[in-house]
Amino acid sequence: GESVGLHLPTLSVQEGDNSIINCAYSNSASDYFIWYKQESGKGPQFIIDIRSNMDKRQGQRVTVLLNKTVKHLSLQIAATQPGDSAVYFCAEGGTGRRALTFGSGTRLQVQP
Amino acid sequence: DAGVTQSPTHLIKTRGQQVTLRCSPKSGHDTVSWYQQALGQGPQFIFQYYEEEERQRGNFPDRFSGHQFPNYSSELNVNALLLGDSALYLCASSVRTSGRTDTQYFGPGTRLTVL
Repeated sequence: GESVGLHLPTLSVQEGDNSIINCAYSNSASDYFIWYKQESGKGPQFIIDIRSNMDKRQGQRVTVLLNKTVKHLSLQIAATQPGDSAVYFCAEGGTGRRALTFGSGTRLQVQP
Repeated sequence: DAGVTQSPTHLIKTRGQQVTLRCSPKSGHDTVSWYQQALGQGPQFIFQYYEEEERQRGNFPDRFSGHQFPNYSSELNVNALLLGDSALYLCASSVRTSGRTDTQYFGPGTRLTVL
């Protein structure tokens, strides 16, 4: 399959540790945020989303935190597994916009 | 329940040719968006179709055009291909919500190589 994100920032963690992936967004009018996971040769896979009326949202093993004051978003993955290895993208949208604007991505490498 | 499907998986064309890519949305979804993803970068929005009309367009030339059919499936057409059009083309489907960005689910993509 193709290689996604050849020169992306990389986060390397040990299996079983918690991972935190960060994202800064630039548009203060954005009010909707999504995290996607993209494995090599595949399309982005929806992980979790959050709207701006919330500052935290939890899913299965994942938590998204939103800090609107500093325009920062983070994805926390608990008990990281080898299957979590992928490139992670944050994306933002907003009222009146149909397009998602994607960040540049972070590669997560899970060491066994 | 099938997710978003795209065809073909891979495609090789030469400069100046035209290409058509196809997308079927998830069951129950009525909106299709197209994105271009260059190697090592995040997806870039091309346009979105709803009710068979282009509703919003990103910063792409009019060589890029699309269509949505009554069954909500969609095509992306690119004319006069350039080397720089080589990329992964992603289709995302969603349920149209009023006035805000929809939650979009992506297909596996079509890898286009222009020689």
